[in-house]
Amino acid sequence: AQKITQTQPGMFVQEKEAVTLDCTYDTSDPSYGLFWYKQPSSGEMIFLIYQGSYDQQNATEGRYSLNFQKARKSANLVISASQLGDSAMYFCAMSFTGNQFYFGTGTSLTVIP
Amino acid sequence: DTAVSQTPKYLVTQMGNDKSIKCEQNLGHDTMYWYKQDSKKFLKIMFSYNNKELIINETVPNRFSPKSPDKAHLNLHINSLELGDSAVYFCASSRMSSGGYNEQFFGPGTRLTVL
Repeated sequence: AQKITQTQPGMFVQEKEAVTLDCTYDTSDPSYGLFWYKQPSSGEMIFLIYQGSYDQQNATEGRYSLNFQKARKSANLVISASQLGDSAMYFCAMSFTGNQFYFGTGTSLTVIP
Repeated sequence: DTAVSQTPKYLVTQMGNDKSIKCEQNLGHDTMYWYKQDSKKFLKIMFSYNNKELIINETVPNRFSPKSPDKAHLNLHINSLELGDSAVYFCASSRMSSGGYNEQFFGPGTRLTVL
């Protein structure tokens, strides 16, 4: 069975600081994708970043980077230089061949001015 | 241009009623999904259709019936609504992938409230 875990229900970070949101996963499938989505209070789901299981380099997208440690089965999201607009729910997700898609339980991030 | 659209955005109804939520995508994707997000923000896949064929059907009550008239549309019909059906329902679409890359493009969500 596939499983994805986010152990931090809530996180706080000072504006302009960096923050790491944890995500671990469990699968025996060698081919999978890891995603992070942001859900602000307005409710829409916003794609942030993707990492493929065979990708050698860690993915980066602007202020977002994914710290992919395959042996540890972790895919942490790092947000650098936090902004007030980063306050939101963040979901880690995992996909497989056949379009199965699973979300973690989410982490609520609050950026403090 | 809206990529994935859902109607209605809000739906308030009485227990026992039947209701539908419509979803359309103009991205040319061949796979569409329905997700349910409960009050604790947990997102769970309900159904997935690829080219109008059902490929994922998670354990949901058979009161929920998806219908895909073509690959750009996936509607969700719910019979005999119950209080526990209150949630936000998201439609999403993606390309069919081999190897795990299937970024989900989400609609804005439909907030269903059953009274």
